[in-house]
Amino acid sequence: QSALTQPRSVSGSPGQSVTLSCTGTSTDVGGYNYVSWYQHHPGEAPKLMIYDVTKRPSGVPDRFAGSKSANTASLTISGLQAEDEADYYCCSYTGSNIGVFGTGTKVTVL
Amino acid sequence: EVQLVESGGGLVQPGGSLRLSCAASGFTFSSAWVHWVRQAPGKGLVWVSRINTDGKSTSYADSVKGRFTISRDNTKNTLYLQMNSLRAEDTAVYYCVRESWYYFDFWGQGTLVTVSS
Repeated sequence: QSALTQPRSVSGSPGQSVTLSCTGTSTDVGGYNYVSWYQHHPGEAPKLMIYDVTKRPSGVPDRFAGSKSANTASLTISGLQAEDEADYYCCSYTGSNIGVFGTGTKVTVL
Repeated sequence: EVQLVESGGGLVQPGGSLRLSCAASGFTFSSAWVHWVRQAPGKGLVWVSRINTDGKSTSYADSVKGRFTISRDNTKNTLYLQMNSLRAEDTAVYYCVRESWYYFDFWGQGTLVTVSS
């Protein structure tokens, strides 16, 4: 199973919005509504930000929003804040296992 | 509070073995599917293995199949990863992760495995 494709990096100024993409195939992202997103600050445990494409766990700010179109899922961060600077990974169910991750996107707050 | 605490990492020579443990607390461990996910230095997250609630069903990434064995002891609330025939490319931080219906809701802090001579 190949890794899902994410842009290596995106950046934005505080208060702006950024959108991260996650491209797979019809056998993973496009085939199921089971895409999740994780925020990872180096040295810390990754944190679940979005699950089932659009759902936010309790405690995750509504500045984070997920969506999907065909084989591409997206994570939009609105009102960018300094603490949002981190690595972000998407992950998709593949029909047999949940475990194909994206290549990761580094978000930089300018 | 859900906690997953990994241990057992360290420095091992190529071809050697290591067993990782993950102590779980704050939830009913025997009811959860659990996974191992790793991150090599400077690289992204990669799924390694998963085990179902009673330990009778397991799955592995192709890169570790035949070398790694996942297991669990529900009486001790502990997940294991036995790693044999280790290679330099197995060097990574290994995370213990709880699954909740097709997503990973809790992660441990990770344990570092370094394979080097």
